[in-house]
Amino acid sequence: QVQLQQWGAGLLKPSETLSLTCAVYGGSFSGYYWSWVRQPPGKGLEWIGESNDSGNTNYNPSLKSRVTISVDTSKNQFSLTLRSVTAADTAVFYCARGRWRRSPPDYFSYYMDVWGKGTTVTVSS
Amino acid sequence: SSELTQDPAVSVALGQTVRITCQGDSLRRNHASWYQQKPGQAPILVIYDKNDRPSGIPDRFSGSSSGNTASLSITGAQAEDEADYYCNSRDNNVGLFGGGTKLTVL
Repeated sequence: QVQLQQWGAGLLKPSETLSLTCAVYGGSFSGYYWSWVRQPPGKGLEWIGESNDSGNTNYNPSLKSRVTISVDTSKNQFSLTLRSVTAADTAVFYCARGRWRRSPPDYFSYYMDVWGKGTTVTVSS
Repeated sequence: SSELTQDPAVSVALGQTVRITCQGDSLRRNHASWYQQKPGQAPILVIYDKNDRPSGIPDRFSGSSSGNTASLSITGAQAEDEADYYCNSRDNNVGLFGGGTKLTVL
C-alpha cells in the first residue's frame, strides 16, 4: 500500500522560503503526477502544482512566480519550495499522488488517490 | 473560465439520499473526482473516473455527470458521512478544486 510521508518547517517569518518534502513508500514513482495542495485555515483546497517523475511541472498560475516543485527519483521523494511567503500563505500543505490519463472516447480522467497527512505551516513575524 | 462551483452547504436526513453538485466548463472534457474531508484530516478520494470507487469506499457513494455538471450522490446517508466534499478536475494542465460543500446529516 502506497504511503506518503511529508515533513518540513512549520513556522516561518514573512519573506522567508517554505520548503517541504514528501517521500513515497510502497509503490512506483513513475507514471504519476506528484502534487501539492494547500488549505488555509477554515477554507477550501487549493491546487499548488505538480511534477511527473521526469521533472515536467505544472503550476497554479496564481503561485507560479514563487513556486518550484522538484523530484528526486533516487530517493522516491518530491519537494515544494515557496518563496517570499506572507501571512496569506499560512495553511495546511498536503502532498498527493495524482493520476491523469485519457478516458476514451472523449474525456480525460484526473484524480489524487493517495495523500499525505498534511503539514501545518504558519507565517508570522 | 477555469472554475468549479459547489453549493456551500447541504443537509440530509439520516438514511435519505443527497446529491452534491459541481459545475464548470472543464467538466465537459474531464471526469470529476470527489473527495471527503473530515475535520483535522486529509482528504480522501471517494469517486474518480466519474463513477468509480476506490477500495474501501462504501457503494452508497456514486457519481454522475451531464454537460458541465458533475454530481456526487450518497444513497442512504449515514452519520459518518457528515463532512466537507470537494470536486476536482483539470483544465489546461492546471488542477482545479470546487469551493467545497459542507454536508450535514440530520
